Amino acid sequence: AQSVTQLGSHVSVSEGALVLLRCNYSSSVPPYLFWYVQYPNQGLQLLLKYTTGATLVKGINGFEAEFKKSETSFHLTKPSAHMSDAAEYFCAVIPSGGYQKVTFGIGTKLQVIP
Amino acid sequence: KAGVTQTPRYLIKTRGQQVTLSCSPISGHRSVSWYQQTPGQGLQFLFEYFSETQRNKGNFPGRFSGRQFSNSRSEMNVSTLELGDSALYLCASSLGQGTTPGELFFGEGSRLTVL
Repeated sequence: AQSVTQLGSHVSVSEGALVLLRCNYSSSVPPYLFWYVQYPNQGLQLLLKYTTGATLVKGINGFEAEFKKSETSFHLTKPSAHMSDAAEYFCAVIPSGGYQKVTFGIGTKLQVIP
Repeated sequence: KAGVTQTPRYLIKTRGQQVTLSCSPISGHRSVSWYQQTPGQGLQFLFEYFSETQRNKGNFPGRFSGRQFSNSRSEMNVSTLELGDSALYLCASSLGQGTTPGELFFGEGSRLTVL
């Protein structure tokens, strides 16, 4: 069975600083990996995904993530935080060949300080 | 293109009652999945339907049930409500076949409060 661990339920960064949100997964088979973002009172929106191929994945709003199989990690980064990035971010995993039974991490709330 | 629509957005029920939530997926999407979101447990998978068939099920008691209609619209029902059922219930749709699993499009959710 797969699981997802997000280190840090709350992360604060200054506007313009690097954003780093950590995600580690455990899966019995190589998984598909995702990052979703949730703004207040809204549903989740897909930021980026890793399926196969290039391990550095670029998403919307300047975010990117790198799949590191040896570290079982899929950390999310953005070089320069913007106030509009304040939201909750969820890492998610689904095993290859699986259907839509997505396992989400507990979420990390990102606060951006002006 | 219209997004995923969930109704009602907010509702208040009392213990012991039942509730039905509705989800209209994006046009052309045949998979609908449901998630329960609470501050303590995060997002937990309830079930997923594809072409009117339940394809996956999470670890929730039988009080939680769902169905999907021929037009892909889905409903979930919770019977004999408990205080712990208070949560945001999110519906997500996807093409469900021939695409990368997990590319979900979420509605804004139905916030259920049980008193």
